[in-house]
Amino acid sequence: GAVVSQHPSWVICKSGTSVKIECRSLDFQATTMFWYRQFPKQSLMLMATSNEGSKATYEQGVEKDKFLINHASLTLSTLTVTSAHPEDSSFYICSAKPSGRRLTDTQYFGPGTRLTVL
Amino acid sequence: GNSVTQMEGPVTLSEEAFLTINCTYTATGYPSLFWYVQYPGEGLQLLLKATKADDKGSNKGFEATYRKETTSSHLEKGSVQVSDSAVYFCALYRDSSYKLIFGSGTRLLVRP
Repeated sequence: GAVVSQHPSWVICKSGTSVKIECRSLDFQATTMFWYRQFPKQSLMLMATSNEGSKATYEQGVEKDKFLINHASLTLSTLTVTSAHPEDSSFYICSAKPSGRRLTDTQYFGPGTRLTVL
Repeated sequence: GNSVTQMEGPVTLSEEAFLTINCTYTATGYPSLFWYVQYPGEGLQLLLKATKADDKGSNKGFEATYRKETTSSHLEKGSVQVSDSAVYFCALYRDSSYKLIFGSGTRLLVRP
């Protein structure tokens, strides 16, 4: 149990287009999901915290108008990279915290989505 | 600020060798420390955690002790297997901010 999926697993797009990445908790509900970005050989950087039914909280330096986050249900959060540019190419990872558990218990991570912008 | 530093990989070992992956951190207060593992093609999984000083977390033969005096937590396993080949992440968690701050990860390759 406690599986998180991401779709797509990889995507290639042209510069200037928008890309949507989905994060789903398959067998549990998650009021809170997190979006991370990982550059090659570097650590995961938290981009934003997504809360079901409310606006996402973005980390300092993350452009909220560029990285749109929607958490419309207890099992789905989406990240849309708008007007993508080559510098947005990266590995995007989401995690989900089961509803009702303290954050220290655990977060369940998706397998990640590799975005390449040409 | 808060930060986590991990030893660079890859670490290549023969099966049944002893493993140590070093992790140090800087933080104010009393964070919790987590170790995550990422197998090829899969998401990060919580391997073990230590929530206070001198805590020892253990799971699947792995152990890590939270050393507050040296601000470190070193992941160890006495006898690695080929199936342990993965990337291991050390992460710091702060109750005040609910954020996980990750190290850069250490890739382990175990050869038969």
